[in-house]
Amino acid sequence: QITLQESGPTLVKPTQTLTLTCTVSGVSLSTSGVAVGWIRQPPGKALEWLAIIYWSDDKRYSPSLKDRLTIVKDTSKNQVVLMMTNVDPVDTATYYCANNPIKCDRSGCYIAPGYFDYWGQGALVTVSS
Amino acid sequence: DIQMTQSPSTLSASVGDSVTITCRASRSISGWLAWYQQKPGKAPKVLIYEASTLETGVPSRFSGSGSGTEFTLTISGLQPDDLATYYCQQYSSYFSTFGQGTKLEIK
Repeated sequence: QITLQESGPTLVKPTQTLTLTCTVSGVSLSTSGVAVGWIRQPPGKALEWLAIIYWSDDKRYSPSLKDRLTIVKDTSKNQVVLMMTNVDPVDTATYYCANNPIKCDRSGCYIAPGYFDYWGQGALVTVSS
Repeated sequence: DIQMTQSPSTLSASVGDSVTITCRASRSISGWLAWYQQKPGKAPKVLIYEASTLETGVPSRFSGSGSGTEFTLTISGLQPDDLATYYCQQYSSYFSTFGQGTKLEIK
């Protein structure tokens, strides 16, 4: 059973950098075929895919936010960290981390965006002065 | 970017009804589509992946179909517990995108 838990500040001021941590249990981030992504949801609005990091340390970002996002992993703590620079009130949202199952066969595991099967409970972040 | 357009935005139906939600992609995504159910205040839950594969533990009244640019999620024999917002997600391209959601209301 994979579980994910988001943590971070609940309130951030405009122009600051938001740092969110996803602690993963039940799978090692260094294991081949493991990928964790971040998704956000402004209040009352739709889901928005943000970024994903793979076991190999490959990363993918939403084109609209890639200049502001950095995703990294700490395998010693089994955590994935998302950093967003220069936040604005429009970045107010619930931020989710989620596990992306990866297809693997005898040739190896394939780096590609996928769906999310396990989700954290979400962390509400408000951007306001 | 691949845009995902869901219809309708809101749907009202009675217990026992069958309902269909449509998701259209701005270009072909083959079968790389997932459907999620999100209940108020909760994280999304995957129902269907690869357009038509039912996630383990999801009731068989949920079904998905389609390929290319047009996909559907059908809920047969609507239950009160199905009150939720439903999202599609494409994962064909370098990065992924979600639809804008369909809110299902139970009459």
